[in-house]
Amino acid sequence: DADVTQTPRNRITKTGKRIMLECSQTKGHDRMYWYRQDPGLGLRLIYYSFDVKDINKGEISDGYSVSRQAQAKFSLSLESAIPNQTALYFCATSDPSREWETQYFGPGTRLLVL
Amino acid sequence: GNSVTQMEGPVTLSEEAFLTINCTYTATGYPSLFWYVQYPGEGLQLLLKATKADDKGSNKGFEATYRKETTSFHLEKGSVQVSDSAVYFCALGNAGNMLTFGGGTRLMVKP
Repeated sequence: DADVTQTPRNRITKTGKRIMLECSQTKGHDRMYWYRQDPGLGLRLIYYSFDVKDINKGEISDGYSVSRQAQAKFSLSLESAIPNQTALYFCATSDPSREWETQYFGPGTRLLVL
Repeated sequence: GNSVTQMEGPVTLSEEAFLTINCTYTATGYPSLFWYVQYPGEGLQLLLKATKADDKGSNKGFEATYRKETTSFHLEKGSVQVSDSAVYFCALGNAGNMLTFGGGTRLMVKP
């Protein structure tokens, strides 16, 4: 089984709808991250969490919110989706007690906002 | 602030050709440097890393050397295979425990 899973893998929604992307991990890592990937722009950090009680904004947090329900679960919400949020979204984890910079990525969620 | 610049792709090579993907960075302090690879339909995975100047990271025939004097971390492989076709991301990690990624370079290897 995959260590970092994301659901759904693909999602089509309409402008103005609220949607949630979910991430679960079995690696036991405290740190979790949400990124979006756009062609030519690489990955940009949306939010990150260093433990269950710690949530931090990343580079591009506007229009997004997150919830860290447990060590293993970190959800990303788009409160009112807009077309320029169409992108590939990745969840990642890392272990600060070991190689903190090495991040482990889920397979991604492809989101299309019409 | 931190930034990473990679050569734009796609890079198209024939099998067994030599590969170089350029990466330069701007950072405060002494970052660690990484190459991540994304195979079609998958998430990113760490390919190699270097944590200090002059270190060489290597894995699966790929190499990159941390050059502080030129602020570079170019990825090389002596003989690419079709299975190396993927998108390659250069990244740096700093004391704030964040990764900053470059824009990615798509590599296509033809038989």
